[in-house]
Formats: sequence, C-alpha cells, structure tokens
Amino acid sequence: NAGVTQTPKFQVLKTGQSMTLQCAQDMNHEYMSWYRQDPGMGLRLIHYSVGAGITDQGEVPNGYNVSRSTTEDFPLRLLSAAPSQTSVYFCASRRLAGSTDTQYFGPGTRLTVL
Amino acid sequence: AQSVTQPDIHITVSEGASLELRCNYSYGATPYLFWYVQSPGQGLQLLLKYFSGDTLVQGIKGFEAEFKRSQSSFNLRKPSVHWSDAAEYFCAVGDPLSFGAGTTVTVRA
Repeated sequence: NAGVTQTPKFQVLKTGQSMTLQCAQDMNHEYMSWYRQDPGMGLRLIHYSVGAGITDQGEVPNGYNVSRSTTEDFPLRLLSAAPSQTSVYFCASRRLAGSTDTQYFGPGTRLTVL
Repeated sequence: AQSVTQPDIHITVSEGASLELRCNYSYGATPYLFWYVQSPGQGLQLLLKYFSGDTLVQGIKGFEAEFKRSQSSFNLRKPSVHWSDAAEYFCAVGDPLSFGAGTTVTVRA
C-alpha cells in the first residue's frame, strides 16, 4: 500500500491563480480530510468527507473547494489564490467505522502564494 | 466546542533525560485523545491514542500518556530521550480532529 499520497510536494503560485492539490489513498478509507499547517497554529481542518459524494466544511473552509467523486481521491481546489493561503497542506484518511481508528497523513504540499 | 492547548511552545532536553509534554483539552463528552509527532519536513505519525479504559496509554517509540479527566489533561512522557526524538509534537482531540499548536522538542547532546 502506498498509503496517502499528495501531489505536488511544492508549488508556487501568483495571487489570483487557481490550482488543485491532489490527494489519493489506497486503503479504501471512507473518511478523508484536508488540513493546513501554519507556524504556531498547529493543524486546522479545511474540509472533510465521509464518503463519495459527501463533503463538509471544517474550521477554515473559505477560499477552498473540495469534491469527492471516488473513494480514493479527495482533491482540494484553490479558485483564486491569496498570500494568506501560503501554508503546508496535509491530506489524511481513516476508516469511518468508528472514529477511534487511526488517521493516516500524507507527506504534505508546501504552497507559496506570491 | 472542542479545543486543545499545548502550553509549551518549545522544550529543550538533554539526551537521556526524561521528557514531559503538556496537553489540556476542552471537550463536551468523553474525549478521543491523540498524540502525533512530526519530524522536520515530514507528515504526522501517530504516537498513541486514548478512548476509554486504562488511563495510562502506551505508544510507539517508548512514549506513554496519561489521561486525567479531573485536570482535562493528556500529558505525554518518555523516560529517556534519544536524539531522534527531536521533532514537533501535537496533541489532538475529538472527531474531526482539533489540534493544539504543537510543542517543538530540541535534544541536546
């Protein structure tokens, strides 16, 4: 199993550009989520999904869109990038059957918005 | 609303010394509690978790944590620190997870 994979690892955008951060998992996990990590603030939840076709907002959803068309993939879209979105983004997944299950994190995408 | 506080931003410890990282949580029900570790440039790895039962939880890499409901705490401990334990440590609670701001651990020789 590859676990949770994220692409790209690094990205530089200009203000106003759009892009999609990719996330995939091969563990057949129903639950997937996106976090952003900023210095001194830990990880904050952006969006999450409990299964294909179902998404919900987390703590900091503004400026981000998600969709879940398959169990495996959970892309995060920035429609018009802003410097405030400069961050490290982590995707995570776990089985839905019991929130006691371990959540597995991808390696992260470091995004810089100029 | 659930929240997590990690009072120590940065801790420096000598190799071989003991380590304790503090975590206080706010949660309306019986909490699901986690400790994660992040090495520089890496993703997060689960160290241990608590849901119910024995309040002293053993994890990987020689770490343990104790849940104290009366103090709303879930402190992480290691009896003897190795240089490879230098990393950032995050306490998290609930579902979806809410994370603390993290504690950076530096290990000096």
